[in-house]
Amino acid sequence: EPEVTQTPSHQVTQMGQEVILRCVPISNHLYFYWYRQILGQKVEFLVSFYNNEISEKSEIFDDQFSVERPDGSNFTLKIRSTKLEDSAMYFCASSELTQGANTEAFFGQGTRLTVV
Amino acid sequence: AQTVTQSQPEMSVQEAETVTLSCTYDTSENNYYLFWYKQPPSRQMILVIRQEAYKQQNATENRFSVNFQKAAKSFSLKISDSQLGDTAMYFCAFMNREGGSEKLVFGKGTKLTVNP
Repeated sequence: EPEVTQTPSHQVTQMGQEVILRCVPISNHLYFYWYRQILGQKVEFLVSFYNNEISEKSEIFDDQFSVERPDGSNFTLKIRSTKLEDSAMYFCASSELTQGANTEAFFGQGTRLTVV
Repeated sequence: AQTVTQSQPEMSVQEAETVTLSCTYDTSENNYYLFWYKQPPSRQMILVIRQEAYKQQNATENRFSVNFQKAAKSFSLKISDSQLGDTAMYFCAFMNREGGSEKLVFGKGTKLTVNP
């Protein structure tokens, strides 16, 4: 069964360093998303991406964050200068169509980011 | 802004019995979707069931069913004949269908343990 793949599963980085989280969405999907989950808290929306541009972003997604689809298969989240509070589980998701139209978002297994 | 509240941080049930997980939400919108996602220890979030707000009939998927009370803004999940594999975090989520928003708004989750 097709699945969303995220790498790495766990990343440790020093405060102030740049980090890139990688995702390979399901191949025929057109919509891509990043969510994050700080330990013990709710899953929060970061950004959605369609047709090579951001379609929606939350207030969490400030100038330190960026997303890119550098080729036909990868979807990346970059954090330019990591802070301690960026430590969280980051989930990538993709969907074939707009989520509401009888389709669903498929989530990856997540990347646990630890900023030290 | 929409909010989703899950008032039960943890629940447990005996195998083969029935359990109901609560979810309430707050929105001024009329056209939206509600979801229940399951997150097993493997961390990957899986869609369990979906409800469209304009449909009065409660959604069902095998052993999973919802009790959708639109006026009360309540969306509970009933799991019948609980199985050990149902042990997971369960997240209730909301998505506004109007305005082209793609984001899911999640509750904090309920940790369900199915005991043998």
